[in-house]
Amino acid sequence: DAKTTQPTSMDCAEGRAANLPCNHSTISGNEYVYWYRQIHSQGPQYIIHGLKNNETNEMASLIITEDRKSSTLILPHATLRDTAVYYCIVRPHGSSNTGKLIFGQGTTLQVKP
Amino acid sequence: KAGVTQTPRYLIKTRGQQVTLSCSPISGHRSVSWYQQTPGQGLQFLFEYFSETQRNKGNFPGRFSGRQFSNSRSEMNVSTLELGDSALYLCASQAGEETQYFGPGTRLLVL
Repeated sequence: DAKTTQPTSMDCAEGRAANLPCNHSTISGNEYVYWYRQIHSQGPQYIIHGLKNNETNEMASLIITEDRKSSTLILPHATLRDTAVYYCIVRPHGSSNTGKLIFGQGTTLQVKP
Repeated sequence: KAGVTQTPRYLIKTRGQQVTLSCSPISGHRSVSWYQQTPGQGLQFLFEYFSETQRNKGNFPGRFSGRQFSNSRSEMNVSTLELGDSALYLCASQAGEETQYFGPGTRLLVL
């Protein structure tokens, strides 16, 4: 079973920030938080990951709470092309299970004009 | 660097047949993982191969099998196809504990 909980769906206005929450209350010390998105049956696309510090790259920002029990993916200026299913995954490092990603149902983000 | 490639992209088979799907990982990536995606069950892990050995296995019947070659390319095979095997099959590769990158998938339709 997935170790994360996400809202089923969210809407966002084009040009506004999209904030996608994720709960992972049972996360272990060696588990990172990863975000992927999947646009209409294409292969999932990697977005960003982090352990405990906030992270930012050209696609998004990741905010992880101090207790690491939840996180938020931020798309700063959402466009129509950001409409996709977003998956939050916890993934162990330093483990033989690092190649096994457990996906939940994800959040369907609809960006509207 | 070229991304993960999968062939074929689309496939139609009939019940009882078998099918082989191929995956070429990103150059230098030695781990290849396979996933099945269906509308009902979502994205589910099938198995992972590393250095030609199966390192992890998901909860799928023995009809689903795979292998990895010395150049890290991988194949998965499904024997005695059932209607419920219709799905998008995704392959992903990674180097060590680095990020796992996905291919475009093979869409299999079983009639």
